Amino acid sequence: DILMTQSPSTLSASVGDRVTITCRASDTIRSWLAWYQQKPGKAPKLLIFKASSLESGVPSRFSGSGSGTEFTLTISSLQPDDFATYYCQQYNSYPWTFGQGTKVEIK
Amino acid sequence: QVQLQESGPGLVKPSQTLSLTCTVSGGSISGDNYYWTWIRQHPGKGLEWIGYIYYSGSTYYNPSLKSRVTISVDTSKNQFSLNLSSVTAADTAVYYCAREGSYSGSPPVADYWGQGTLVTVSS
Repeated sequence: DILMTQSPSTLSASVGDRVTITCRASDTIRSWLAWYQQKPGKAPKLLIFKASSLESGVPSRFSGSGSGTEFTLTISSLQPDDFATYYCQQYNSYPWTFGQGTKVEIK
Repeated sequence: QVQLQESGPGLVKPSQTLSLTCTVSGGSISGDNYYWTWIRQHPGKGLEWIGYIYYSGSTYYNPSLKSRVTISVDTSKNQFSLNLSSVTAADTAVYYCAREGSYSGSPPVADYWGQGTLVTVSS
């Protein structure tokens, strides 16, 4: 299985901050990486697919980059609605696998 | 707008079989390029991909669970189901069903999710 490692595990930030989350794959996954946002008690929501493609309806302050084994999710200006846990997922090789999550907290 | 809804018992005894159904509305489960998937999340933990079924009946299961998992589809009811046998407390989790869409030849990614259902394994 491909191991996905996110950093940091927890991030404290303020509204308006630029936030970056990193995801590393144990083997190349080309560009087949997705980012999800999950709020407590809710299902994950797809934000980014194919490493950098924004899902329909997702605010443009979210962006993704990377290929191969290193990827980033950036929130350009953190909004109150963005405090949540973020997961990366590789969908290059079965079984699909997820990172352990990054919790974005209010500073 | 596609919607998915999980249903099934919230409490299962150890060694028994966990059975959940996902009902799909707002779209056909028989559509090309869609894979119908189960994903679980242990309490306070990350996400674990369980497996998928295509409307034709073809499946792929996570090798870590393969010996205990069966996913089936009922196209007449627009539903698909998960059976997980010989459960233990380690199978206590929120179980999500999801649609994975494959667009322009890409591998499928989960773009629609059910709300999730907590299944507790306890005697």
